[in-house]
Amino acid sequence: NAGVMQNPRHLVRRRGQEARLRCSPMKGHSHVYWYRQLPEEGLKFMVYLQKENIIDESGMPKERFSAEFPKEGPSILRIQQVVRGDSAAYFCASSPAGRNFDNEQFFGPGTRLTVL
Amino acid sequence: AQKVTQAQTEISVVEKEDVTLDCVYETRDTTYYLFWYKQPPSGELVFLIRRNSFDEQNEISGRYSWNFQKSTSSFNFTITASQVVDSAVYFCALSEAGFGNEKLTFGTGTRLTIIP
Repeated sequence: NAGVMQNPRHLVRRRGQEARLRCSPMKGHSHVYWYRQLPEEGLKFMVYLQKENIIDESGMPKERFSAEFPKEGPSILRIQQVVRGDSAAYFCASSPAGRNFDNEQFFGPGTRLTVL
Repeated sequence: AQKVTQAQTEISVVEKEDVTLDCVYETRDTTYYLFWYKQPPSGELVFLIRRNSFDEQNEISGRYSWNFQKSTSSFNFTITASQVVDSAVYFCALSEAGFGNEKLTFGTGTRLTIIP
C-alpha cells in the first residue's frame, strides 16, 4: 500500500510564474490536508479538503493560493504569480474517510519550492 | 484557539547522554490528540507517537519515552542514551478530536544536535 505521494519533490520557479503541487493520498483516503513549512519554522496548516469540497481554508493566504481535490486525480495546490516569500516546503497529509477516532494523518515527503 | 509551545529552540548534547524535549500545549477541547514528529536533515516528517487526551499513561519505545501530564498541559519527549542518528528537528503537534477536521497545530520545533 503506497504512502502519500507528492510531486514534484523539488520545484524551482521564477517570480511571477505559477507553481502547481500535487498530492496523491493513500489508497482509500478521501481527506487531504496541506501544510507549509517556511525556512527554520514549524508547519502551518493551510487547507483541508475532501473530494470535491474545501472544508477548511482558514490557513490559506487570501490571494494567489488555491487548492482543489477533484473526484478523480490528485489534490492540487496552486500558487499563482509566485514571490520569493513563497519559498518553502509544502507537505500534504491524508486521512481516512468518516470519523477518524485515532486522528491518524499520514504525511507525504513534501515539495520544496524555491522561487528565484 | 490551539497552541503548542516548544520553548527549546536548539539543544546540543554529547552522544550517550539523555535529553528531554519539552512541549506545552493549550486547547479548550476536552478531547484532543498529541503527536511528536521527527524531521531529519533529509526533510521528511517521521511520525513518532500519537496520544489521546484520555490516556495519560507514559509510553516507552526503545530509547524513546513520553511523559504526558494533563495537569501541566505538557507532553515531553525523552531520548535515552542519545545517538548521532537522533540529530534532527523534533516537532510536537496537537489536534482536536477526530470528527472530520483533524488539522494539526505544530510547535516551532526543537533542533537537536548529538555531538559524537
